[in-house]
Amino acid sequence: NAGVTQTPKFRVLKTGQSMTLLCAQDMNHEYMYWYRQDPGMGLRLIHYSVGEGTTAKGEVPDGYNVSRLKKQNFLLGLESAAPSQTSVYFCASSYSVNTEAFFGQGTRLTVV
Amino acid sequence: AQRVTQPEKLLSVFKGAPVELKCNYSYSGSPELFWYVQYSRQRLQLLLRHISRESIKGFTADLNKGETSFHLKKPFAQEEDSAMYYCALSGITQGGSEKLVFGKGTKLTVNP
Repeated sequence: NAGVTQTPKFRVLKTGQSMTLLCAQDMNHEYMYWYRQDPGMGLRLIHYSVGEGTTAKGEVPDGYNVSRLKKQNFLLGLESAAPSQTSVYFCASSYSVNTEAFFGQGTRLTVV
Repeated sequence: AQRVTQPEKLLSVFKGAPVELKCNYSYSGSPELFWYVQYSRQRLQLLLRHISRESIKGFTADLNKGETSFHLKKPFAQEEDSAMYYCALSGITQGGSEKLVFGKGTKLTVNP
């Protein structure tokens, strides 16, 4: 029972490079979220999706784009990475906004 | 706007002492409140939610709508309770969007 899986687990990027983080869930959840976790800042919502084909901005969306082409996958893209995007990124999914959210193991991204 | 405030970044208690992690929220509608926990090297996981009114691992939390608070309490802390605790709020905003937002977290350390 995989739950929520994030790929990759670690990545180092140079400033200006692009990359895509993949989140996959096998629970048939409608809702998916991308957060970033920074010391002293807690979990901040980047983007989220309430169903296949839909996306919405969260608290800190600038510099990121997302896509939800398939219900089970939620992709987070960085078009031109900046050192300020160095963080741990978490994906989560839930059946609805008011039910338990299940988290991935996190992706540690360093931008140099 | 949805907002969750956890005033204490760090909280340190001795084993067997009572512990209270504070959480206040700002939300215009009827919120769903949660406590999530992240143990060292583990994923974030749900600890409890206000609607279930359960006691999990000895922890309880009561929603006080008058004070807009959802404080987490345990009468006798154990060393294994040492972790990062996040208060979270979900609901539908005035704009119709549905999202789950977190506070900045409180790191609890239970000393022997």
